[in-house]
Amino acid sequence: SQTIHQWPATLVQPVGSPLSLECTVEGTSNPNLYWYRQAAGRGLQLLFYSVGIGQISSEVPQNLSASRPQDRQFILSSKKLLLSDSGFYLCAWSVIERQSTDTQYFGPGTRLTVL
Amino acid sequence: AQKITQTQPGMFVQEKEAVTLDCTYDTSDPSYGLFWYKQPSSGEMIFLIYQGSYDQQNATEGRYSLNFQKARKSANLVISASQLGDSAMYFCAINTGGFKTIFGAGTRLFVKA
Repeated sequence: SQTIHQWPATLVQPVGSPLSLECTVEGTSNPNLYWYRQAAGRGLQLLFYSVGIGQISSEVPQNLSASRPQDRQFILSSKKLLLSDSGFYLCAWSVIERQSTDTQYFGPGTRLTVL
Repeated sequence: AQKITQTQPGMFVQEKEAVTLDCTYDTSDPSYGLFWYKQPSSGEMIFLIYQGSYDQQNATEGRYSLNFQKARKSANLVISASQLGDSAMYFCAINTGGFKTIFGAGTRLFVKA
């Protein structure tokens, strides 16, 4: 069966510090990978998605970046964190069999607080 | 552009009773998929149920069923025999093809003992 891991689970970082969040998927090949951010009490905002190694699409221009160095590894980074980067970051994977049936499965999330 | 509207910020239900969580959507695409996710206090998003726009029957998964009314563009989630563990945020979402799934703002469900 497929599993998705995220770490760290929680993170407190000062403004201006770098960020690296990691997501790995097991039990599937060539998944689509996604990074979402969820502000407190709000819905999900898609940040990045990737359909393959080295292929990254950005949905929201900001000081965050994403990379996919391996098939089942997705990394979210920032060189300098802002207060507004605080939130709950969720990684997800899917395997599209047919368009519009893209069921996404989520990891446990990383709660980021920028002080 | 696609849009999901969940008009109930919070809902209360007595344990063992059924509850309906509302979801309306807006899209001009004839082909789309509708999803419901559960987010307990731990934060993880759990996939519950899927309904395709061309599916003739309403989707069901255990205690979850989706009341799909295409003409009204609604996709309400029905939870039967509510349990205390059903207390969580519930999100409705739509995908019309491609890699972007649009999520609603969510409904918080409280199950009372």
